[in-house]
Amino acid sequence: NAGVMQNPRHLVRRRGQEARLRCSPMKGHSHVYWYRQLPEEGLKFMVYLQKENIIDESGMPKERFSAEFPKEGPSILRIQQVVRGDSAAYFCASSQRNYGYTFGSGTRLTVV
Amino acid sequence: QQQVKQSPQSLIVQKGGISIINCAYENTAFDYFPWYQQFPGKGPALLIAIRPDVSEKKEGRFTISFNKSAKQFSLHIMDSQPGDSATYFCAASWRGGSEKLVFGKGTKLTVNP
Repeated sequence: NAGVMQNPRHLVRRRGQEARLRCSPMKGHSHVYWYRQLPEEGLKFMVYLQKENIIDESGMPKERFSAEFPKEGPSILRIQQVVRGDSAAYFCASSQRNYGYTFGSGTRLTVV
Repeated sequence: QQQVKQSPQSLIVQKGGISIINCAYENTAFDYFPWYQQFPGKGPALLIAIRPDVSEKKEGRFTISFNKSAKQFSLHIMDSQPGDSATYFCAASWRGGSEKLVFGKGTKLTVNP
């Protein structure tokens, strides 16, 4: 039973480019969460999705960031026109709504 | 009211010693308190968790102590081993909050051989 799969593991983007981060939840999990971790900081909640629905996006920056979890395929976190401050580790977690979060290994985004 | 405050920021213990990490929260609606362990380059992994209806939970060498009136909870690692060297995060969530986790800033634990 594969865990939460995130790709790519490392992503380098120039300022102004778009970054697309992918997350495939554990088999049978229909809830996906995205968190951001800055260096030496804890994880900060960004968005909670179920299939085809955004349930809670209270942690998402108002501009440039979007997320989706389509009926088929992985969840995508999209960052448009990246800036240096977007450099961070982005973690996806999945659950079946019983507090049993499983995190992926993350995507480390570097904006140069 | 969303904060979870964690201390210390870093901790060094000798092999065989007890590691203690503390967290305090403000939101009384929190009803789930997990601890996560994170190794460099990896995602956080759930270590142990507690609900507010119990004051202590033990799993192997790991124990959570919970003080509801003081709004504090702590992680105790008994017989600490070099392999326990990692960053530990406390967190909290509540049923009415889409189960999103509010994390502390982490404690970097180093266990010397």
